[in-house]
Amino acid sequence: AQSVSQHNHHVILSEAASLELGCNYSYGGTVNLFWYVQYPGQHLQLLLKYFSGDPLVKGIKGFEAEFIKSKFSFNLRKPSVQWSDTAEYFCAVNAYTGRRALTFGSGTRLQVQP
Amino acid sequence: DAGVIQSPRHEVTEMGQEVTLRCKPISGHNSLFWYRQTMMRGLELLIYFNNNVPIDDSGMPEDRFSAKMPNASFSTLKIQPSEPRDSAVYFCASSPGTGDSPLHFGNGTRLTVT
Repeated sequence: AQSVSQHNHHVILSEAASLELGCNYSYGGTVNLFWYVQYPGQHLQLLLKYFSGDPLVKGIKGFEAEFIKSKFSFNLRKPSVQWSDTAEYFCAVNAYTGRRALTFGSGTRLQVQP
Repeated sequence: DAGVIQSPRHEVTEMGQEVTLRCKPISGHNSLFWYRQTMMRGLELLIYFNNNVPIDDSGMPEDRFSAKMPNASFSTLKIQPSEPRDSAVYFCASSPGTGDSPLHFGNGTRLTVT
């Protein structure tokens, strides 16, 4: 069964600091990978996705993620965070198995201090 | 496009009562998903439908939970009888397909069972 691990549960950064959130998945075959963001009191919104091709994926609001197949990782990065990036970030995977639904990681709560 | 619409936004009920959560997916989307979000367990997939047919309900915690999708524009998640441990935010999401299509989430229903 597919699973997703997010190692950082709570990250606190100052504005302008660089961000990297870890995500590892457990499935050896073809996968689709996603990062979603949930701002306080809101629903989840798609940040970026990887299906195939260039392993470096750029999303909205300056976020990017790199798919490293050999490490089963899909880490999220942003060179300079803003206070408005304060939110919870979820990595999700869909493996090409019979179960065609996303499996989410436990989430990482990011707090950006002004 | 109005997005995925869930109702009610908040529900407070007493243990033992029946609770019905409602979802209207985005028009034209043929996959619908129910997720539950708690602090302890994160985002869990409860059930998903494709073309109104339940495909995977392995995430439904107990027989107290049931979900229906009588047509392409409406789904319900029912809990009967409700228990305090059912307290969570329940999200409905839809997508144009399965697997490689991003999910569009509703604003969620915050359920509190006392």
